[in-house]
Amino acid sequence: SQTIHQWPATLVQPVGSPLSLECTVEGTSNPNLYWYRQAAGRGLQLLFYSVGIGQISSEVPQNLSASRPQDRQFILSSKKLLLSDSGFYLCAWNLGQSSYNEQFFGPGTRLTVL
Amino acid sequence: DQQVKQNSPSLSVQEGRISILNCDYTNSMFDYFLWYKKYPAEGPTFLISISSIKDKNEDGRFTVFLNKSAKHLSLHIVPSQPGDSAVYFCAASLNNNDMRFGAGTRLTVKP
Repeated sequence: SQTIHQWPATLVQPVGSPLSLECTVEGTSNPNLYWYRQAAGRGLQLLFYSVGIGQISSEVPQNLSASRPQDRQFILSSKKLLLSDSGFYLCAWNLGQSSYNEQFFGPGTRLTVL
Repeated sequence: DQQVKQNSPSLSVQEGRISILNCDYTNSMFDYFLWYKKYPAEGPTFLISISSIKDKNEDGRFTVFLNKSAKHLSLHIVPSQPGDSAVYFCAASLNNNDMRFGAGTRLTVKP
């Protein structure tokens, strides 16, 4: 069966510090991978998605970036965190190109920027 | 650009009664709609979905209704149980890589 891992589970970082969040998927090949952010009182905002190694699409302009160095690994990074980067970050995956495929989410990372 | 809206941030119902969660959308090109359930400190889990060519989909205690002319969908939970207490997200999809989520509705089912 497929599983998705995210780490760390929680993170407290000072403003201006770098960020690296990792997501890995097991039990499947060539998944579509997604990064979402849930800010306090708001819905899930799609940040990045990837349909293959090295292929990254960005949905919103920000100081975050994403990379996919391996088929089942998706990394969210920042060179300098802002206070507004605080939130709950979720990685998700699915397969195929049909819009009928639901996404499967990881456990999330709670990021607090102080 | 809030294309998917859940205007009720919270809902409280008694155990055994019906829970109705509502969702409105603005983009008529959405072709697939999903509901996700989320517990605190966990990722959302898929609950139920509906294609834009249908107006109803039922799965056990959960039923989703779609009114395309009104650009409105709703999730009915009957009967509601305390374990249903969670945040429910409505989502709409244009294609596999573009899914928009609402802000969520926190459902509390009281024993």
